[in-house]
Amino acid sequence: IAGITQAPTSQILAAGRRMTLRCTQDMRHNAMYWYRQDLGLGLRLIHYSNTAGTTGKGEVPDGYSVSRANTDDFPLTLASAVPSQTSVYFCASSDRAGGPYGYTFGSGTRLTVV
Amino acid sequence: AQTVTQSQPEMSVQEAETVTLSCTYDTSESDYYLFWYKQPPSRQMILVIRQEAYKQQNATENRFSVNFQKAAKSFSLKISDSQLGDAAMYFCAYRSANSWGKLQFGAGTQVVVTP
Repeated sequence: IAGITQAPTSQILAAGRRMTLRCTQDMRHNAMYWYRQDLGLGLRLIHYSNTAGTTGKGEVPDGYSVSRANTDDFPLTLASAVPSQTSVYFCASSDRAGGPYGYTFGSGTRLTVV
Repeated sequence: AQTVTQSQPEMSVQEAETVTLSCTYDTSESDYYLFWYKQPPSRQMILVIRQEAYKQQNATENRFSVNFQKAAKSFSLKISDSQLGDAAMYFCAYRSANSWGKLQFGAGTQVVVTP
Protein backbone atom coordinates (compact mmCIF):
# COMPACT_ATOMS: atom_id res chain seq x y z
CA ILE A 1 0.00 0.00 0.00
CA ALA A 2 1.46 3.32 -1.08
CA GLY A 3 2.07 5.77 1.71
CA ILE A 4 4.38 6.80 4.51
CA THR A 5 5.90 4.49 7.06
CA GLN A 6 7.08 5.88 10.37
CA ALA A 7 9.07 3.99 12.98
CA PRO A 8 8.92 3.42 15.83
CA THR A 9 5.22 3.75 16.62
CA SER A 10 6.01 4.81 20.15
CA GLN A 11 9.10 5.19 22.28
CA ILE A 12 10.07 6.07 25.83
CA LEU A 13 13.44 7.77 25.88
CA ALA A 14 15.71 8.85 28.69
CA ALA A 15 16.63 12.51 28.70
CA GLY A 16 20.00 13.16 27.13
CA ARG A 17 19.80 10.21 24.78
CA ARG A 18 20.02 10.47 21.01
CA MET A 19 17.08 9.25 18.96
CA THR A 20 16.28 9.02 15.26
CA LEU A 21 12.70 8.84 14.06
CA ARG A 22 12.45 7.13 10.72
CA CYS A 23 10.23 8.12 7.82
CA THR A 24 9.99 6.41 4.44
CA GLN A 25 7.61 7.09 1.58
CA ASP A 26 7.01 5.09 -1.57
CA MET A 27 5.07 7.65 -3.59
CA ARG A 28 8.12 9.39 -5.08
CA HIS A 29 6.93 12.65 -3.57
CA ASN A 30 9.39 15.50 -3.86
CA ALA A 31 8.60 17.33 -0.63
CA MET A 32 8.66 15.93 2.89
CA TYR A 33 7.93 17.42 6.30
CA TRP A 34 8.20 16.76 10.01
CA TYR A 35 5.58 18.10 12.40
CA ARG A 36 5.06 17.75 16.10
CA GLN A 37 1.58 17.67 17.60
CA ASP A 38 0.89 19.03 21.05
CA LEU A 39 -2.49 19.49 22.71
CA GLY A 40 -3.79 23.00 22.25
CA LEU A 41 -1.09 23.88 19.73
CA GLY A 42 -2.05 21.76 16.75
CA LEU A 43 0.71 20.61 14.42
CA ARG A 44 3.85 22.69 14.16
CA LEU A 45 6.45 22.35 11.45
CA ILE A 46 9.89 21.27 12.63
CA HIS A 47 11.86 20.80 9.39
CA TYR A 48 11.07 20.33 5.75
CA SER A 49 12.68 19.23 2.50
CA ASN A 50 11.41 20.60 -0.80
CA THR A 51 13.43 18.05 -2.77
CA ALA A 52 16.10 15.42 -2.20
CA GLY A 53 19.37 16.96 -1.09
CA THR A 54 17.80 20.09 0.43
CA THR A 55 16.36 20.82 3.87
CA GLY A 56 14.99 23.83 5.70
CA LYS A 57 13.93 24.94 9.16
CA GLY A 58 10.32 25.22 10.16
CA GLU A 59 8.65 26.91 13.09
CA VAL A 60 10.21 24.85 15.90
CA PRO A 61 13.58 23.46 14.68
CA ASP A 62 15.69 23.77 17.83
CA GLY A 63 16.96 20.45 19.14
CA TYR A 64 16.17 18.61 15.91
CA SER A 65 18.06 17.84 12.72
CA VAL A 66 17.11 16.18 9.44
CA SER A 67 18.73 14.85 6.31
CA ARG A 68 17.39 14.01 2.86
CA ALA A 69 19.92 11.81 1.11
CA ASN A 70 17.34 10.38 -1.30
CA THR A 71 13.72 10.88 -2.33
CA ASP A 72 12.21 8.23 -0.09
CA ASP A 73 13.77 8.76 3.35
CA PHE A 74 13.58 11.71 5.71
CA PRO A 75 14.86 10.85 9.22
CA LEU A 76 14.47 13.21 12.16
CA THR A 77 17.16 13.17 14.83
CA LEU A 78 17.02 14.41 18.39
CA ALA A 79 20.65 14.85 19.36
CA SER A 80 20.06 15.04 23.12
CA ALA A 81 16.44 14.56 24.09
CA VAL A 82 14.75 16.81 26.65
CA PRO A 83 11.33 16.38 28.31
CA SER A 84 9.85 19.26 26.28
CA GLN A 85 10.32 17.12 23.20
CA THR A 86 7.66 14.74 24.47
CA SER A 87 5.12 14.85 21.66
CA VAL A 88 3.56 13.00 18.76
CA TYR A 89 5.67 13.36 15.63
CA PHE A 90 4.23 13.19 12.15
CA CYS A 91 6.06 12.80 8.91
CA ALA A 92 4.27 14.00 5.78
CA SER A 93 4.91 14.29 2.08
CA SER A 94 3.60 16.16 -0.92
CA ASP A 95 4.04 15.60 -4.63
CA ARG A 96 5.42 19.11 -4.96
CA ALA A 97 6.66 21.75 -2.53
CA GLY A 98 3.88 24.12 -3.53
CA GLY A 99 0.47 23.96 -5.10
CA PRO A 100 -3.05 23.09 -3.99
CA TYR A 101 -2.11 19.71 -2.67
CA GLY A 102 -2.72 18.45 0.79
CA TYR A 103 -0.15 16.26 2.42
CA THR A 104 -0.04 12.51 2.93
CA PHE A 105 0.74 11.76 6.57
CA GLY A 106 2.33 8.86 8.34
CA SER A 107 0.68 7.33 11.39
CA GLY A 108 2.89 9.21 13.81
CA THR A 109 5.42 8.39 16.50
CA ARG A 110 4.52 8.99 20.13
CA LEU A 111 7.71 9.97 21.94
CA THR A 112 7.96 10.33 25.69
CA VAL A 113 11.17 11.78 27.13
CA VAL A 114 11.66 11.06 30.82
CA ALA B 1 3.53 35.22 8.88
CA GLN B 2 0.19 33.54 8.58
CA THR B 3 -1.77 32.29 11.58
CA VAL B 4 -4.72 29.93 11.77
CA THR B 5 -7.16 30.19 14.67
CA GLN B 6 -9.70 27.64 15.78
CA SER B 7 -11.56 29.14 18.72
CA GLN B 8 -13.61 26.09 19.69
CA PRO B 9 -11.60 23.50 21.62
CA GLU B 10 -14.55 21.12 21.65
CA MET B 11 -17.96 20.81 20.00
CA SER B 12 -20.67 18.31 20.81
CA VAL B 13 -23.36 17.17 18.38
CA GLN B 14 -26.08 14.55 18.40
CA GLU B 15 -26.24 11.90 15.74
CA ALA B 16 -28.03 13.08 12.57
CA GLU B 17 -27.64 16.73 13.59
CA THR B 18 -25.42 19.39 12.07
CA VAL B 19 -22.33 20.96 13.59
CA THR B 20 -20.25 23.87 12.33
CA LEU B 21 -16.58 24.31 13.17
CA SER B 22 -15.06 27.75 12.89
CA CYS B 23 -11.67 28.72 11.51
CA THR B 24 -10.17 32.12 10.87
CA TYR B 25 -6.79 32.93 9.41
CA ASP B 26 -4.58 35.91 9.03
CA THR B 27 -2.71 36.51 5.79
CA SER B 28 -1.64 39.29 3.50
CA GLU B 29 -1.63 37.01 0.48
CA SER B 30 -4.40 36.83 -2.08
CA ASP B 31 -3.71 33.35 -3.41
CA TYR B 32 -3.71 30.38 -1.06
CA TYR B 33 -5.40 27.10 -0.21
CA LEU B 34 -7.38 26.05 2.83
CA PHE B 35 -7.92 22.56 4.18
CA TRP B 36 -9.78 20.65 6.84
CA TYR B 37 -8.17 17.51 8.23
CA LYS B 38 -9.76 14.90 10.43
CA GLN B 39 -7.80 12.99 13.07
CA PRO B 40 -9.74 10.08 14.61
CA PRO B 41 -8.45 8.21 17.68
CA SER B 42 -6.31 6.11 15.34
CA ARG B 43 -4.15 9.23 15.01
CA GLN B 44 -4.23 9.10 11.20
CA MET B 45 -4.53 12.49 9.49
CA ILE B 46 -7.27 12.38 6.85
CA LEU B 47 -7.93 15.16 4.34
CA VAL B 48 -11.62 16.05 4.50
CA ILE B 49 -11.98 18.98 2.14
CA ARG B 50 -9.95 21.59 0.27
CA GLN B 51 -10.73 25.11 -0.95
CA GLU B 52 -8.79 27.25 -3.41
CA ALA B 53 -8.95 30.94 -2.48
CA TYR B 54 -9.55 32.03 -6.07
CA LYS B 55 -12.75 29.99 -6.23
CA GLN B 56 -15.88 31.69 -4.98
CA GLN B 57 -17.87 28.49 -4.88
CA ASN B 58 -17.73 26.70 -1.56
CA ALA B 59 -16.29 23.18 -1.64
CA THR B 60 -18.48 20.19 -0.77
CA GLU B 61 -17.63 16.57 -0.12
CA ASN B 62 -20.68 14.45 0.68
CA ARG B 63 -21.82 15.49 4.18
CA PHE B 64 -18.97 17.97 4.59
CA SER B 65 -19.16 21.50 3.27
CA VAL B 66 -17.36 24.75 3.89
CA ASN B 67 -18.37 28.37 4.14
CA PHE B 68 -15.45 30.33 2.73
CA GLN B 69 -15.58 34.08 3.34
CA LYS B 70 -12.41 35.48 1.82
CA ALA B 71 -12.90 39.09 2.90
CA ALA B 72 -13.56 38.00 6.47
CA LYS B 73 -10.74 35.42 6.31
CA SER B 74 -13.10 32.78 7.60
CA PHE B 75 -13.29 29.10 6.63
CA SER B 76 -15.88 27.14 8.58
CA LEU B 77 -16.66 23.44 8.20
CA LYS B 78 -20.21 22.11 8.37
CA ILE B 79 -20.80 18.45 9.10
CA SER B 80 -24.35 17.45 8.21
CA ASP B 81 -26.20 14.33 9.38
CA SER B 82 -23.46 13.64 11.93
CA GLN B 83 -22.42 10.05 12.46
CA LEU B 84 -20.57 8.36 15.30
CA GLY B 85 -17.63 7.92 12.95
CA ASP B 86 -17.31 11.69 12.65
CA ALA B 87 -16.02 11.88 16.22
CA ALA B 88 -12.46 13.14 15.87
CA MET B 89 -10.15 16.10 16.16
CA TYR B 90 -10.54 18.45 13.22
CA PHE B 91 -7.76 20.73 12.07
CA CYS B 92 -8.02 23.74 9.81
CA ALA B 93 -4.90 24.40 7.73
CA TYR B 94 -3.58 27.11 5.42
CA ARG B 95 -1.10 26.82 2.59
CA SER B 96 0.31 29.68 0.58
CA ALA B 97 0.12 29.35 -3.19
CA ASN B 98 3.75 30.38 -3.59
CA SER B 99 6.24 27.72 -4.60
CA TRP B 100 7.34 26.83 -1.11
CA GLY B 101 4.13 27.16 0.87
CA LYS B 102 3.91 24.87 3.88
CA LEU B 103 0.78 23.70 5.65
CA GLN B 104 0.06 25.73 8.79
CA PHE B 105 -2.42 24.28 11.23
CA GLY B 106 -4.83 25.61 13.79
CA ALA B 107 -5.00 24.20 17.31
CA GLY B 108 -7.84 21.83 16.46
CA THR B 109 -11.46 21.27 17.50
CA GLN B 110 -12.52 18.02 19.15
CA VAL B 111 -15.91 16.86 17.84
CA VAL B 112 -17.91 14.63 20.16
CA VAL B 113 -20.90 12.79 18.66
CA THR B 114 -23.57 11.57 21.06
CA PRO B 115 -26.16 8.91 20.20
